[in-house]
Parts: sequence; C-alpha cells; structure tokens
Amino acid sequence: GDSVTQMEGPVTLSEEAFLTINCTYTATGYPSLFWYVQYPGEGLQLLLKATKADDKGSNKGFEATYRKETTSFHLEKGSVQVSDSAVYFCALSAQGLTGGGNKLTFGTGTQLKVEL
Amino acid sequence: DSGVTQTPKHLITATGQRVTLRCSPRSGDLSVYWYQQSLDQGLQFLIQYYNGEERAKGNILERFSAQQFPDLHSELNLSSLELGDSALYFCASSPQRRTDTQYFGPGTRLTVL
Repeated sequence: GDSVTQMEGPVTLSEEAFLTINCTYTATGYPSLFWYVQYPGEGLQLLLKATKADDKGSNKGFEATYRKETTSFHLEKGSVQVSDSAVYFCALSAQGLTGGGNKLTFGTGTQLKVEL
Repeated sequence: DSGVTQTPKHLITATGQRVTLRCSPRSGDLSVYWYQQSLDQGLQFLIQYYNGEERAKGNILERFSAQQFPDLHSELNLSSLELGDSALYFCASSPQRRTDTQYFGPGTRLTVL
C-alpha cells in the first residue's frame, strides 16, 4: 500500500540556518504530495502542495519539489525563524479508492526546534 | 483558521462509555474526513463522507461509526471505549469527492480513563 517516510526528529537549528526535512514516498499511480505543519496545541495547517512531477510547491519561504524519479518531496527553507518551531508532516493523496473516495497517508512527522 | 470547526475541544470519559464528536466543514465543502492521531499509530485515516454518503474507509474499528447529515456536518461515534482510544481526532473537509487538498479542524482530544 501507499506509505510516506520522513526523517526522524527532533531537528534542532539555530535561527537563520538552512532547513531540509527529507520525505520519500511509495505509491501506485500519480499521487499529489503535501506538507502540513502542526504548531503546539493546534490542528494541521496546509503548508504547500504539488500535484505532478517536477512541480514546486512554495509558501512562507518553504519549498518542496515533486521528484518522481527519486520518489521524494523534501521540504526546504533558506532561513528558519523561532516561529517555525513545529511538527512537519509529509503526506500523499491517494485517489481511486473503492467508492470513489480519497484519503491522505501521512508520515510520522518531524519536530523542528529553532533556537536563538 | 481553516473554517472547519470541531466540538468539543477536550473530552474525558471512562472505559466502556460512548462519545460523539462533531465536525462542521468549511462553507461549501461536501466531503468530510476523520483522522485519528495517537503517539503509537501516528495520523491514521478513518473514514470519508461525501454529501451524506460513505466514500472511503480506512482503519476504523467496528466500535466506531460516523455519519454526515443533510446540513453536511458530521459526527463520529466511539463506543465501548478503551484506554487505547485516547487520541486526537481530526476532521477535515474538501470541496469535492476527489479533491485532494483537505483542510483540517483544530481537533478533539479524547482521554479515556
């Protein structure tokens, strides 16, 4: 079945450092790929998405490129801030389920801590 | 704020009891999804409803059931609760049956004692 693998956390960085959180996936067909962010005590917020190979999703300085050849969707940011401290989830969307439905399959999440 | 609302925010109950979690989707969204987030299982898809009908089913226990009403709000019913059911339960919504972008509510934290 479909699966998403993320790098283990926590990732601890100093403010203004470069961020990479690795994400690889296994899926049949052509899934859409997402990054969601969860701040402490809150729900999941959509950060960015990409729907086909070589698409780049971007938002709030974060970027990720859909790489079909390496089945990857790594999240990057050039200069992190303390306010970026959160848990980041990589996810894929599987369609064509019985009944014509749709669901998200998530990775385990990577906690990011940014220090001054 | 995603526009998806969930009530209650917190729920504490005892083993063997039954609870109902409520979700109101974003205005205009026809699809509602339920997910469970626990420390050992991570984020797991439970079930999807589209315009009142069940469309996809995931790792949902037989003790759990859901429905979507004509006004499009949804309820997740959890019965014969066990300690292991303690988790965060998220609702998400999207405009259409196959639209892949889902918008999440703030969640209901269930504690079973």
